[in-house]
Amino acid sequence: DVKVTQSSRYLVKRTGEKVFLECVQDMDHENMFWYRQDPGLGLRLIYFSYDVKMKEKGDIPEGYSVSREKKERFSLILESASTNQTSMYLCASSLSGLASGANVLTFGAGSRLTVL
Amino acid sequence: GNSVTQMEGPVTLSEEAFLTINCTYTATGYPSLFWYVQYPGEGLQLLLKATKADDKGSNKGFEATYRKETTSFHLEKGSVQVSDSAVYFCALSPPGSSNTGKLIFGQGTTLQVKP
Repeated sequence: DVKVTQSSRYLVKRTGEKVFLECVQDMDHENMFWYRQDPGLGLRLIYFSYDVKMKEKGDIPEGYSVSREKKERFSLILESASTNQTSMYLCASSLSGLASGANVLTFGAGSRLTVL
Repeated sequence: GNSVTQMEGPVTLSEEAFLTINCTYTATGYPSLFWYVQYPGEGLQLLLKATKADDKGSNKGFEATYRKETTSFHLEKGSVQVSDSAVYFCALSPPGSSNTGKLIFGQGTTLQVKP
């Protein structure tokens, strides 16, 4: 069964701490995404990567950075966590190009981050 | 710009009732349209999709028809079950982004089905 695995389901951090959220996929997908999910706002794209070492800002990149050193791994970094970054973070991956299913995202189960 | 609007929830139904969750979109050109479902404690998973006008996507008894004239993609099911309780997200893939997988999501609609 294909999978996107997020390393931490629940995290509690303090304001100002550096936070790493890790995501690994085993489907050899080119594209990987980090979304943030908040009630009433749906999913909002933070960052997107279409290849190793390549990244593109999404709709709400402020306060976040990403790293993609290997094809299967995409990390989200909060350099200095703030309370307004308390949220559910969802990682996803997809095929690239015109392959069948290129727009079908496979999601991880999510990482719920609380910043105190 | 591109956007998706869903009906506000929560939607509470009795088992075997008929379900409609409304979704309308704004986009230039012809986007692809999707419904994703999120069961409690899980990530989102694709429920169905449609890539051109008048296409009907279907899966697990759910259906949605891509209506260009009304810019809508309403989700329907004839008889819901308790196991359908979840959050449902409508989404679009903007024209020209077919090779990126970048989707724009609606705010989600929570469905609660009671026995």
